[in-house]
Amino acid sequence: QKEVEQDPGPLSVPEGAIVSLNCTYSNSAFQYFMWYRQYSRKGPELLMYTYSSGNKEDGRFTAQVDKSSKYISLFIRDSQPSDSATYLCAMRLNTPLVFGKGTRLSVIA
Amino acid sequence: DTGVSQDPRHKITKRGQNVTFRCDPISEHNRLYWYRQTLGQGPEFLTYFQNEAQLEKSRLLSDRFSAERPKGSFSTLEIQRTEQGDSAMYLCASSLVQGAGEQFFGPGTRLTVL
Repeated sequence: QKEVEQDPGPLSVPEGAIVSLNCTYSNSAFQYFMWYRQYSRKGPELLMYTYSSGNKEDGRFTAQVDKSSKYISLFIRDSQPSDSATYLCAMRLNTPLVFGKGTRLSVIA
Repeated sequence: DTGVSQDPRHKITKRGQNVTFRCDPISEHNRLYWYRQTLGQGPEFLTYFQNEAQLEKSRLLSDRFSAERPKGSFSTLEIQRTEQGDSAMYLCASSLVQGAGEQFFGPGTRLTVL
């Protein structure tokens, strides 16, 4: 079992839909949880980070962490075609980030 | 642009050649990281520096790989005797030590070994 599991998709939704992206993990010691967005052939771009459990909201994006279930989510409201990208979850205890495989999202106009 | 920069953006080389990549972090960031990403996978950690000290190396960093950060600013990653399996995107990231230590990534160097 990998430390971080993420469904690679692809996930295709119509414009305006609510998107739910998820990761599960096995290491209960992880403390910091991040979501990155990566466009094709570009570097990952940090969207949000959360420390420990709880929710965090930033505009159309909401990140949730449930440490008891070892489950994290990213919700995108009112999705736009420009949201089409690969979304990577990442987490860490100490310094190196451990990434999921990424979920490829397409938002269709 | 004050983000992380990497050079070159693309490198095509023949098997057995040596290659060197450069990363310039965000100027006030004292931590610098190298990751490798292959198609359909998330980035995998290779090594990181705090200032000029290399503090951690993953087992992915074979003895053909060497990284330096001589003055605590830019860093280089060298791959000797390249193999086709080295073909990947090499990503550099930087962060502060304090707080959540959010890591900000550069655009990557795409290496193709023929």
